[in-house]
Amino acid sequence: GAVVSQHPSWVICKSGTSVKIECRSLDFQATTMFWYRQFPKQSLMLMATSNEGSKATYEQGVEKDKFLINHASLTLSTLTVTSAHPEDSSFYICSARTSGGGSNTGELFFGEGSRLTVL
Amino acid sequence: TQLLEQSPQFLSIQEGENLTVYCNSSSVFSSLQWYRQEPGEGPVLLVTVVTGGEVKKLKRLTFQFGDARKDSSLHITAAQPGDTGLYLCAGVSRTGNQFYFGTGTSLTVIP
Repeated sequence: GAVVSQHPSWVICKSGTSVKIECRSLDFQATTMFWYRQFPKQSLMLMATSNEGSKATYEQGVEKDKFLINHASLTLSTLTVTSAHPEDSSFYICSARTSGGGSNTGELFFGEGSRLTVL
Repeated sequence: TQLLEQSPQFLSIQEGENLTVYCNSSSVFSSLQWYRQEPGEGPVLLVTVVTGGEVKKLKRLTFQFGDARKDSSLHITAAQPGDTGLYLCAGVSRTGNQFYFGTGTSLTVIP
């Protein structure tokens, strides 16, 4: 099946630094990728929808200047947490959608997630 | 804002018992998916339901999509410890460009 790879799996950084997380679709082209944030034992909160070659669409309440998303190719999207603070510590997960027969029949595959800890 | 509400939020049962998880929304979705997630990993797709009223079975798991395509349920028969995990429903928007997850149900099956 389709595989989505996320890197890094774990990252610890000092407060004020920026962290980049990569999301790659390994065996399919993904015109759309999604970025989620998840707190322990809670559901995934959609942060933004990343479209190849265009600006990401951010959900209400998500600071686009803090969470920079770039989708430069059909197989790579990146999330950069700028000037990270302890409250940004979380589990970040990306997903990519395969294309089905119609725009709404594609299957969603998830990366392994990236655990960010800001000291 | 979560468009999909799941109940119960937490569930702890003995091995062999049956359970049902509900996923409800006021929005209509083109399809609905169920995922299972283990700690530190990404969610894994269990099933996709597309047609209102559709019922799908996956071994001991039975999934149903509501007639109005606003809600869904997951029924597990004779639960096993291996069923332990976070179960998430996800609604797919009509455009197919947005996946919204439910609030999640954390299931623990005690041996």
